[in-house]
Amino acid sequence: SQQGEEDPQALSIQEGENATMNCSYKTSINNLQWYRQNSGRGLVHLILIRSNEREKHSGRLRVTLDTSKKSSSLLITASRAADTASYFCATDGNQGGKLIFGQGTELSVKP
Amino acid sequence: DAGVIQSPRHEVTEMGQEVTLRCKPISGHDYLFWYRQTMMRGLELLIYFNNNVPIDDSGMPEDRFSAKMPNASFSTLKIQPSEPRDSAVYFCASSGGRDSAHFNWAQYFGPGTRLLVL
Repeated sequence: SQQGEEDPQALSIQEGENATMNCSYKTSINNLQWYRQNSGRGLVHLILIRSNEREKHSGRLRVTLDTSKKSSSLLITASRAADTASYFCATDGNQGGKLIFGQGTELSVKP
Repeated sequence: DAGVIQSPRHEVTEMGQEVTLRCKPISGHDYLFWYRQTMMRGLELLIYFNNNVPIDDSGMPEDRFSAKMPNASFSTLKIQPSEPRDSAVYFCASSGGRDSAHFNWAQYFGPGTRLLVL
């Protein structure tokens, strides 16, 4: 069963705009991670937020976590055409190294 | 570091043939994961190892699939016999090490093996 579910499934924006993707999950977690996948490539780890953290930044990325609502969001500011990719959230479900991935959000940034 | 290495990158085979996918994890990582990705089912965890020992193989579709990790630097995923519905991209990923005081749970993916079973 899916642990993480992303919303929206697809998002199309203009270069320079911000992109926000949301993730909901079902069980308690130790951490939540976001990954990017460019077409035809492997997933690339972007950022990890622990269950006791509420917000984390990495460059143009901002991740928030609300454990009471079992949800997270990924914000990409000042998007670029190179940000075009699929973005996945993944949760560990308190199961150590194992991650369960959502279906992903397909982001298209138009120049 | 070269990252996670997978071979072959592409495999085309006929139904009924044996397929072996190979993975070399990042040196020092003690977790290794095999995933399968399709448009219909998304990214599915098939099996994962910790210190070369299989921990959870509940995602392995059926007995036709088997995975081994004979040492810390090598793993195989075998499909015998292969079927057209096994066509997918198979990813290997590894994780491990420490990020300051915390275990680094980030997973590092290989480029994948694109399998087509005719």
